Amino acid sequence: QKEVEQDPGPLSVPEGAIVSLNCTYSNSAFQYFMWYRQYSRKGPELLMYTYSSGNKEDGRFTAQVDKSSKYISLFIRDSQPSDSATYLCAMRFSGGSNYKLTFGKGTLLTVNP
Amino acid sequence: DVKVTQSSRYLVKRTGEKVFLECVQDMDHENMFWYRQDPGLGLRLIYFSYDVKMKEKGDIPEGYSVSREKKERFSLILESASTNQTSMYLCASSSNRLRGADTQYFGPGTRLTVL
Repeated sequence: QKEVEQDPGPLSVPEGAIVSLNCTYSNSAFQYFMWYRQYSRKGPELLMYTYSSGNKEDGRFTAQVDKSSKYISLFIRDSQPSDSATYLCAMRFSGGSNYKLTFGKGTLLTVNP
Repeated sequence: DVKVTQSSRYLVKRTGEKVFLECVQDMDHENMFWYRQDPGLGLRLIYFSYDVKMKEKGDIPEGYSVSREKKERFSLILESASTNQTSMYLCASSSNRLRGADTQYFGPGTRLTVL
């Protein structure tokens, strides 16, 4: 079983839709969870960050972590064509080599005008 | 703004050539990383460095080496390029300061083609 599983999509939605992106993981030692966004021909950039379980909201974006189910989600409300990108989940352990992230493979999202 | 720059956006090399990919960051970050990104395989860590002259193997170090002689610069070396090293190479850096380790700042990538 891979450490981090992420549906690669592609996912295509109309403008204004609510988008749900998800990752599952196998190692319960992961404590910090991130979502990165990668536009075509660019490097990834950090979008959301959460520690342990719970929700975090930033504008149209909400990140959710359910550690009991080893499941994380990113919700995008009122999606816009500018949200079209690949979304990568990432996570890391607490302590030790805590600068090393484990990434999902990414989900390609297209928001159609 | 943090800036991570990579020496080339596109590179074409021949099999057997020695290839150098350079990465420079301007934020005094302790940690630097080299990844490759391939369709269906995602981001895979090749090597990382947590200090000058320090390096650790990532998940796929075979066929690669690295050099970090100065804090701001991290080089990836393909000693003898092979066609299976055709890929997008991404450099990143991060800070050990409070929660900074989770924010990796990425460069724009180098698309390497080995013929």
